[in-house]
Formats: sequence, structure tokens, C-alpha cells
Amino acid sequence: AQSVAQPEDQVNVAEGNPLTVKCTYSVSGNPYLFWYVQYPNRGLQFLLKYITGDNLVKGSYGFEAEFNKSQTSFHLKKPSALVSDSALYFCAVRDPEVDDKIIFGKGTRLHILP
Amino acid sequence: DADVTQTPRNRITKTGKRIMLECSQTKGHDRMYWYRQDPGLGLRLIYYSFDVKDINKGEISDGYSVSRQAQAKFSLSLESAIPNQTALYFCATSRDFDEQFFGPGTRLTVL
Repeated sequence: AQSVAQPEDQVNVAEGNPLTVKCTYSVSGNPYLFWYVQYPNRGLQFLLKYITGDNLVKGSYGFEAEFNKSQTSFHLKKPSALVSDSALYFCAVRDPEVDDKIIFGKGTRLHILP
Repeated sequence: DADVTQTPRNRITKTGKRIMLECSQTKGHDRMYWYRQDPGLGLRLIYYSFDVKDINKGEISDGYSVSRQAQAKFSLSLESAIPNQTALYFCATSRDFDEQFFGPGTRLTVL
């Protein structure tokens, strides 16, 4: 069965520094990969996705993610963090060769320090 | 107006009570989902529906049931609520196997 792991419960980054939120996955086929963000007292919002094509995917709010098939990773990145980026981030995966479900990771809380 | 709405936004109930959470969407999507969020566990899929006549169990369907009354409406029921069903519940929709659009959530407390 497909699975996704976010190895860090929390990431702290100083404002203006680059940030990375890690995600690794396990699927039997070619994955569909997603990143979502959740601000306090809100539902999840879509950031970006990888289905096929270029390994570097650009999304909302200046975020990007790189699909690395050999390392089975899909890390979320941003060149310069903003305090407003502080939120809970979820990686999600779908294995189209298995079933229709999208599996979410446990989430990583990102703190951007002023 | 919000594209995906959930009612109620907050609910406190007692063990053994039946409760229904409702979700409506104006996005015209066929696919709808119910998730629960627990601290440290992320989101877990309860049920999903790809059209009015299609209902599928997710990872944690025990203790829950759903009804897809129309393309725009997808309800989640707890027939006999128990304390470990205390959680934040989210409804989501999608056009296909693409990005999902989430509602604002329902915070449910079972005493």
C-alpha cells in the first residue's frame, strides 16, 4: 500500500532564510504527489502537485518542490521564508496503480522566526 | 461565498448520541471526501464518493456512515458517538484525481 512520511514534526527557520520541509513516499507505481498548507482554524489549501513532467514543480506563495524518484522524495522548498509562512504543511500521495485514495502525511509544523 | 461549507462548525455531544455532519459544495465536483484530523496523526480518510451512486470506505470507516444526497451534498453520520471520535472533521471535493478543495472543518467533541 502507498504511504507517505514527513520525518520532522516541526521545522524552525529564521525569516529570510531558505526553508525545506521533507517528504518521502512509498508506492508501487508512479506517484501523484501533493503539498497542502493549513493555517490556524482553517481547512487545508492546495499548494502544488506533481503528476508527470518536470521534476521541479512551482506552486502558490513562492513554494516549489522537487520530485526525486531515486530517493522517493518530494521536499517542499522556498528560497526566502516569510513569517506568514508559519503553518502546518501536509504532503500527500496517490498510487494510481493501487487505488483511488490519497494518503496524507502526519504534517510538519513550520515556524518562521522574525 | 465559500465553495465548500460544513455545518455545524462546532459540536459538543454525549456518548451514545447520533450526530450528523453536513457538507455542501458549489464547485460542481463529482468527487467528495470525509477526513478526520487528530494531532500527530494527520488526516485520515473516512469515506469518499465519486458520484451519487458511488460510496467507498476509507482508512477508518468503522463507526461512521455517509450519505450522498446529491452531487453537491455529502453527509457524515456517527450512529453512536464515542469519546475517541473527538476530532476535527473535514469535507473535501475534487474534480478528478487532482487537487482537493477543503471545507473549514467541524470540531466535534464527544463527552
